[in-house]
Amino acid sequence: SYDLTQPPSVSVSPGQTASITCSGYRLGDKFASWYQQRPGQSPLLVIYQNNMRPSGIPERFSGSNSGNTATLTISGTQALDEADYYCQTWDTTSHVVFGAGTRLTVL
Amino acid sequence: EVQLVESGGGLVQPGGSLRLSCAGSGFTFSSYPLHWVRQAPGKGLEYISSVNHNGLSTYYATSVKGRFTVSRDNSKKTLYLQMGSLRTEDTAVYYCARDQNKFGEYPDAFHIWGQGTMVTVSP
Repeated sequence: SYDLTQPPSVSVSPGQTASITCSGYRLGDKFASWYQQRPGQSPLLVIYQNNMRPSGIPERFSGSNSGNTATLTISGTQALDEADYYCQTWDTTSHVVFGAGTRLTVL
Repeated sequence: EVQLVESGGGLVQPGGSLRLSCAGSGFTFSSYPLHWVRQAPGKGLEYISSVNHNGLSTYYATSVKGRFTVSRDNSKKTLYLQMGSLRTEDTAVYYCARDQNKFGEYPDAFHIWGQGTMVTVSP
């Protein structure tokens, strides 16, 4: 089966840049998506196809994907960005795969 | 407003069955692949199943294959998940989600999510 590995937690100061990584074998050959989930809420798509932002997602959210690692970058992090973030991809054997999630804390 | 609304969750005994529904509105329902994702209490997201836009292609996670069946009725704008041989580890909030890609034959990204429906499997 195909696995995606994320750090359990990332901390960032308000106004700084947060980077959350997602690693998988040759992940750069696939499309990666990222979801934000605040407590008690449904997930929200923030990045798809590696670096595309859905309508309504702030420009401070960006994504990249190369080699074995996809990265979600949040520039000028705000308190409201504090949430769990999940990466996701599609694999021909495992179909849809989610990472275990990263808790972003804005200190 | 683009919306997905799940229903059908509840308490069921191990070995039992349950059917979840997901009603779509505000978009051309028949154009999009649809998906089911679940989240056990305090845990991460787990992919369950997908169906393409016309219902002819389906995909399942290994954990539910042979026990769960996904289907859709485009005339009713409704997605279904028939769950059987339920286990305590199936306890979770079940979300339906719409793909961001029209007419895609494979899942891409999950753009629109419902609010979720809770399924509890317990004696």
